[in-house]
Amino acid sequence: QKEVEQNSGPLSVPEGAIASLNCTYSDRGSQSFFWYRQYSGKSPELIMSIYSNGDKEDGRFTAQLNKASQYVSLLIRDSQPSDSATYLCAVKKTSYDKVIFGPGTSLSVIP
Amino acid sequence: EAQVTQNPRYLITVTGKKLTVTCSQNMNHEYMSWYRQDPGLGLRQIYYSMNVEVTDKGDVPEGYKVSRKEKRNFPLILESPSPNQTSLYFCASSFSGRASTDTQYFGPGTRLTVL
Repeated sequence: QKEVEQNSGPLSVPEGAIASLNCTYSDRGSQSFFWYRQYSGKSPELIMSIYSNGDKEDGRFTAQLNKASQYVSLLIRDSQPSDSATYLCAVKKTSYDKVIFGPGTSLSVIP
Repeated sequence: EAQVTQNPRYLITVTGKKLTVTCSQNMNHEYMSWYRQDPGLGLRQIYYSMNVEVTDKGDVPEGYKVSRKEKRNFPLILESPSPNQTSLYFCASSFSGRASTDTQYFGPGTRLTVL
């Protein structure tokens, strides 16, 4: 089992729809969870971070964390073509200073 | 402007020819890290550094060396590059690396091709 897994994608949604991106992790002691967006050929940029169970909203983005089920998700409301990118889930372990990245999910928003 | 810079951005080289990819940050960050990104494998950590003169192996350190003689710089050295090191490389930094809330800032990437 990989340490961080994401839906394989690619995911296509029409403009204006809600895009749902999922991530599961294997280390039950993980404390910090991050969503990065990466445009093709560019570096990852942080969109959201979440540390406690529940929802965290920032504009059109909502991160959801469920530690009991070991999953974290990212919802993008009113999806725009500019949201088309690869989304990386990252999990920070508690035992040592390391961030584990998932393989990413490619999102395409169709105008 | 706060940033992480990498040089070169693109490099084509031949097997066995030593090369260095530089990384520099101007945010006074203690933690710096190198990743490689390959299709289907995501970002994998090569080496990281918690502070000056403190470095440690990540998940895929074989074939790479690093040094941290100054806080702002963290060069990645390939002593004898091989074709399987063809990849997209990212340098990243964060304030301390220890806090659970610490987030990483990435450089623009270096695309390396080893023939």
